[in-house]
Amino acid sequence: DTGVSQDPRHKITKRGQNVTFRCDPISEHNRLYWYRQTLGQGPEFLTYFQNEAQLEKSRLLSDRFSAERPKGSFSTLEIQRTEQGDSAMYLCASSSRTGSYEQYFGPGTRLTVT
Amino acid sequence: SQKIEQNSEALNIQEGKTATLTCNYTNYSPAYLQWYRQDPGRGPVFLLLIRENEKEKRKERLKVTFDTTLKQSLFHITASQPADSATYLCALPQRGGGADGLTFGKGTHLIIQP
Repeated sequence: DTGVSQDPRHKITKRGQNVTFRCDPISEHNRLYWYRQTLGQGPEFLTYFQNEAQLEKSRLLSDRFSAERPKGSFSTLEIQRTEQGDSAMYLCASSSRTGSYEQYFGPGTRLTVT
Repeated sequence: SQKIEQNSEALNIQEGKTATLTCNYTNYSPAYLQWYRQDPGRGPVFLLLIRENEKEKRKERLKVTFDTTLKQSLFHITASQPADSATYLCALPQRGGGADGLTFGKGTHLIIQP
């Protein structure tokens, strides 16, 4: 299957711990996005990469959050000193360079902070 | 600030009828609008993109309209089936166009009853 993959699918952590999530986009896609979704809400944009360059960051992305895409392929999202309010589904999406703007989402990583 | 409104209550439709979902937005002049489907516990799946110069777009049983004067999009599913039951999300590019991150509405939960 050549869709977007995310790892892990579920993560339970204690408040104050650091967590890191990984996203592998569709191989020929140069754009990669991170979103966060809580129950009953639509996805909220966090950040966007074109190749390895981080082009856009939401105000939601506090200084505890950092994202990287070191070689323009996979990406990681790290949350430091997790808080209970960080509990959510973290979604990754990718899109093609060809000018079409539809985004292809992965299955998400569900984070629970206890 | 930018705002997207979708019917927040569940929409119950009888099988075989046409389901119509509404997306209204304010403080936007988007170059395009997208619709996604999301099933519980899964990432959104892209359905259709309609550009600002297009009034209507169709794909199989799906039809989307885009009225930039009313700032509204309508999403229709004809000959609805129980398998169409899901949450449908409307999304707009955050900064108006290009390969932006998307701003999503909360989604409308559609239930097709046999």
